[in-house]
Amino acid sequence: EIVLTQSPGTLSLSPGDRAALSCRASQGVGSTYLAWYQQKPGQAPRLLIYGASSRATGIPDRFSGSGSGTDFTLTISRLEPEDFAVYYCQQYGTSLTFGGGTKVEIK
Amino acid sequence: EVQLVESGGGLVQPGGSLRLSCATSGFTFSSYAIHWVRQAPGKGLEYVSAISTNGGSTYYANSVKGRFTVSRDNSKNTLSLQMDGLRGEDMAVYYCARVRSGSFFGPVDYWGQGTLVTVSS
Repeated sequence: EIVLTQSPGTLSLSPGDRAALSCRASQGVGSTYLAWYQQKPGQAPRLLIYGASSRATGIPDRFSGSGSGTDFTLTISRLEPEDFAVYYCQQYGTSLTFGGGTKVEIK
Repeated sequence: EVQLVESGGGLVQPGGSLRLSCATSGFTFSSYAIHWVRQAPGKGLEYVSAISTNGGSTYYANSVKGRFTVSRDNSKNTLSLQMDGLRGEDMAVYYCARVRSGSFFGPVDYWGQGTLVTVSS
C-alpha cells in the first residue's frame, strides 16, 4: 500500500500569505494520479486538484498543484479567509489512499 | 444538481450489523464509479470501499475486507454498504462520493453530507 505523508501537520499563516503544502509518497505515484481536497469543519471534503495539477471545476486559480513521482505540492498563492481549513492529498494510481492532512490555521 | 444522500447510520453494538444507503440524483448514476470514505471523530479520511459502474468490480480496504459488502442498484440510482461484525474502530462518519470520471479508481468530485455510525455497548 502506498503511504502518503503530508507536512507540515499544521501551518500557521496570515491572510495574504503564500502556503505550500507537501505530500510525499512511499513509492512512485503516476503523475496523473494525485489529488488534493479541502475540508472545513462539519463539511464534506471538496476536490481542489486532480491529476497533480488540474484544477477542479470552480476552484480559484490561487490554488495550484505540482509534482510527480513521490513529491507533490499544493500551493495557495494568497490565502483568503475562507482558505483556512484542512487539506488532504490522495493517490489513486495503486488502490486508494489519503494522506494524514495539513491544517492551515490563522496565525 | 448532483446530489448524494447517505442514510442508515446510527448506534450499534460491537459485533452488530448496519446497512448504509446512498441515494443519488442529478447525474447518470450508471456511468460513475462510487466510493465510500469514512472519517473517525477528529481524524483524517480513510477509504472504505469502491464499486465500478456496473458493480462488477469492487474494492475494500484491508481494515474492512470480509466484513463489509458494497452493492449498487443502477435501476434505482442507489448504493449500499452492508457492514457486519462492527468494531469500535469502525465508528465514523461515512461518506459516499462520486468518482470524477468513469474510471474505477479516481478523484471524487461530489460527496454526500455523511452519516454517522456509532459503535458502542
